[in-house]
Amino acid sequence: QKEVEQNSGPLSVPEGAIASLNCTYSDRGSQSFFWYRQYSGKSPELIMFIYSNGDKEDGRFTAQLNKASQYVSLLIRDSQPSDSATYLCAVRRGSTLGRLYFGRGTQLTVWP
Amino acid sequence: DVKVTQSSRYLVKRTGEKVFLECVQDMDHENMFWYRQDPGLGLRLIYFSYDVKMKEKGDIPEGYSVSREKKERFSLILESASTNQTSMYLCASSSLRDLLGSNQPQHFGDGTRLSIL
Repeated sequence: QKEVEQNSGPLSVPEGAIASLNCTYSDRGSQSFFWYRQYSGKSPELIMFIYSNGDKEDGRFTAQLNKASQYVSLLIRDSQPSDSATYLCAVRRGSTLGRLYFGRGTQLTVWP
Repeated sequence: DVKVTQSSRYLVKRTGEKVFLECVQDMDHENMFWYRQDPGLGLRLIYFSYDVKMKEKGDIPEGYSVSREKKERFSLILESASTNQTSMYLCASSSLRDLLGSNQPQHFGDGTRLSIL
């Protein structure tokens, strides 16, 4: 079982819709959870992190964490074509000082 | 803002050469990481370091070594480059303790696209 799993996609949504990206993780001791966005040919950039159960909102982005079910999701409201990218989920396990475990990413396309 | 700088954006080397990839960060971060990223395989951790002169193997260390002589600089070395090491190489850094506790997001450099011919 992989440490972090994401639906590979691609996920395609129309402009203005809500895009929902999901991620599951295997280590129940995981403590911090991160979402990165990566445009084609570019390096990953941090969008959000979350460490408490529930929702965390930042502009059009909402991260949701459910530790009991071991999943974390990212919702993008009012999706824009500029949101088209690969989204990486990353998890910090409780036993590691700084190492993150990355999923393979979900490719999102927002069409006008 | 955190700045992670990789010495080259594009690099072309020949099989058997010894290749050095350099990474420098300006935020006094304790942790530094080297990844490679290949289509369909995602980010794979090669080596990481928690402190000067310390190193830990990641998931795919074979064929690579690292050096961390100064806190701000982390070098990845391909001892004898091979064609299967053609890839995008990404360096990242993070703080051992960030301002909000222990969330420790990693910040990435722009990457080095390495081709081995």
